[in-house]
Amino acid sequence: DAKTTQPTSMDCAEGRAANLPCNHSTISGNEYVYWYRQIHSQGPQYIIHGLKNNETNEMASLIITEDRKSSTLILPHATLRDTAVYYCIVRALRNQGGKLIFGQGTELSVKP
Amino acid sequence: NAGVTQTPKFRVLKTGQSMTLLCAQDMNHEYMYWYRQDPGMGLRLIHYSVGEGTTAKGEVPDGYNVSRLKKQNFLLGLESAAPSQTSVYFCASSTGTITGELFFGEGSRLTVL
Repeated sequence: DAKTTQPTSMDCAEGRAANLPCNHSTISGNEYVYWYRQIHSQGPQYIIHGLKNNETNEMASLIITEDRKSSTLILPHATLRDTAVYYCIVRALRNQGGKLIFGQGTELSVKP
Repeated sequence: NAGVTQTPKFRVLKTGQSMTLLCAQDMNHEYMYWYRQDPGMGLRLIHYSVGEGTTAKGEVPDGYNVSRLKKQNFLLGLESAAPSQTSVYFCASSTGTITGELFFGEGSRLTVL
């Protein structure tokens, strides 16, 4: 599975959009981009995933560049409860066991 | 619906002792996983299972053994605990479909003195 690069930390003002970037320049055609978050040492929580097209759900939007070498997770109206570590993960379509390999993630701090 | 339940949530061991962490899921998921997380680090995969009776090694399998005798349970064993195994352990499960998301438990904090 391709590796990802994320900023170590980011700040965001409450109520504003949080844009979390992820670089995955070695991604291959059969690999999906997944986002999970971990709030204060709880178990990670699934947010969203995508292959080529932009995706949106009730939690967030995922924007994937046309060349698929990078993506951005958007939390449209960040709240204090969105303070967490966000993990961008690339996973092969036919990954043995469907396992996820986590990197260091981005620590997002939402400030009042 | 309990989801993924880990037992125990906290444990202190002395070096050389053995113990077993139990993970139970009630979602009828095929795949189950054990991760560990050290302070300030991301999660690292220890072992995983793609079905009852099967197990496979992850990124950091040394010092651990696992068993999946029943579909709903995945056990993680430490035969001879070492201080380097002090960590928070997370269990997860998924449906096993191609894009199935992982559901995580709340974690088990293990300290080895």
